[in-house]
Amino acid sequence: DAKTTQPPSMDCAEGRAANLPCNHSTISGNEYVYWYRQIHSQGPQYIIHGLKNNETNEMASLIITEDRKSSTLILPHATLRDTAVYYCIVRVTNTNAGKSTFGDGTTLTVKP
Amino acid sequence: NAGVTQTPKFQVLKTGQSMTLQCAQDMNHNSMYWYRQDPGMGLRLIYYSASEGTTDKGEVPNGYNVSRLNKREFSLRLESAAPSQTSVYFCASSPRTGGTDTQYFGPGTRLTVL
Repeated sequence: DAKTTQPPSMDCAEGRAANLPCNHSTISGNEYVYWYRQIHSQGPQYIIHGLKNNETNEMASLIITEDRKSSTLILPHATLRDTAVYYCIVRVTNTNAGKSTFGDGTTLTVKP
Repeated sequence: NAGVTQTPKFQVLKTGQSMTLQCAQDMNHNSMYWYRQDPGMGLRLIYYSASEGTTDKGEVPNGYNVSRLNKREFSLRLESAAPSQTSVYFCASSPRTGGTDTQYFGPGTRLTVL
């Protein structure tokens, strides 16, 4: 599975949109982009995933570039409870299920 | 639905002791995983089981063994604990059917080896 690159930390003002970038320049055609977050020391929580098209759910939006080499997770109205470590991973789902690498993620701090 | 449950929540061991971390999921998922997370770092995959009856090594398997007891349960065993194994251990499961494979994580086991 492809590796990903994320900035180590970002700040965002409460109520504003948080845009978290992820670079996955070696992504293969059958790899999905997944985003998870980890609040404090809890287990990671699934946020959203996508293959080619932009996706939106009740938590966030995922924008994937046309060449699929990068993506952006958007939290439209960040709250203090969104302070967490955000992980971007890419993985193939129908072959070797265990090889996704979480990396160190981006620590997002939402400030009042 | 309890999701993914892990026991124990906390454990302190002395060097050389053995123990088994238990994980169970009630979502009828095919795949299960064990990760470790050291302070300030991301998750590293120890072992995984793509389906019942199979297990494979991840990034950091040395010092660990696993057993996929049945579809619900996946245990991680430390035969001779070492201080380097002090970490938080997370179990996860995923359906591994169709085109996507979202992982669902347990609350973690915090292990200290003295």
